[in-house]
Amino acid sequence: DTGVSQDPRHKITKRGQNVTFRCDPISEHNRLYWYRQTLGQGPEFLTYFQNEAQLEKSRLLSDRFSAERPKGSFSTLEIQRTEQGDSAMYLCASSPGPSLNTEAFFGQGTRLTVV
Amino acid sequence: AQSVTQLGSHVSVSEGALVLLRCNYSSSVPPYLFWYVQYPNQGLQLLLKYTTGATLVKGINGFEAEFKKSETSFHLTKPSAHMSDAAEYFCAVSANTNAGKSTFGDGTTLTVKP
Repeated sequence: DTGVSQDPRHKITKRGQNVTFRCDPISEHNRLYWYRQTLGQGPEFLTYFQNEAQLEKSRLLSDRFSAERPKGSFSTLEIQRTEQGDSAMYLCASSPGPSLNTEAFFGQGTRLTVV
Repeated sequence: AQSVTQLGSHVSVSEGALVLLRCNYSSSVPPYLFWYVQYPNQGLQLLLKYTTGATLVKGINGFEAEFKKSETSFHLTKPSAHMSDAAEYFCAVSANTNAGKSTFGDGTTLTVKP
């Protein structure tokens, strides 16, 4: 088991461009979470999936953000028309699911810089 | 609704001294409580957790925390600081229905002086 994997680790983009991040959870983990962490702050919950179903979205997830988990395995987070305020670390995490209600295991994160 | 307050954004201790990082929480449902450590440009690593049962929980690297319901606290301690403990520490609370969805505090940066 290699843990939660995120790609890329770093992304620099120009304002207005679209970016997409990928997260591969621990195999057989049913739940997958996305968090955003800005400098000097703790992570903030964005959204989570149980298998392929997106069950909850935070108010932080504006309409420029979309997340998918099409086959219940890996997930993508897309940000359209990026703004400088989107600069942050985007963290993905996974957990076994409702039958085994444990903490989430975090990936290394994707650091986004919008210039 | 849930929230976490970490008292002290920066804590500095000497190597070998006691480490005490403070965390208070609020939760409308029975909470699960966590402490995570984060090194620069890295993800979060779980130090310890409280779910149910024993209120004094022991974690990795010699850390422990005590759940005090009456005080709504979950302070993190370590008897003797090591240089390698220098990092950012986050306290988090979850509802017992979805342990992976956490509300985090703003973090405490621990500095260890030689």
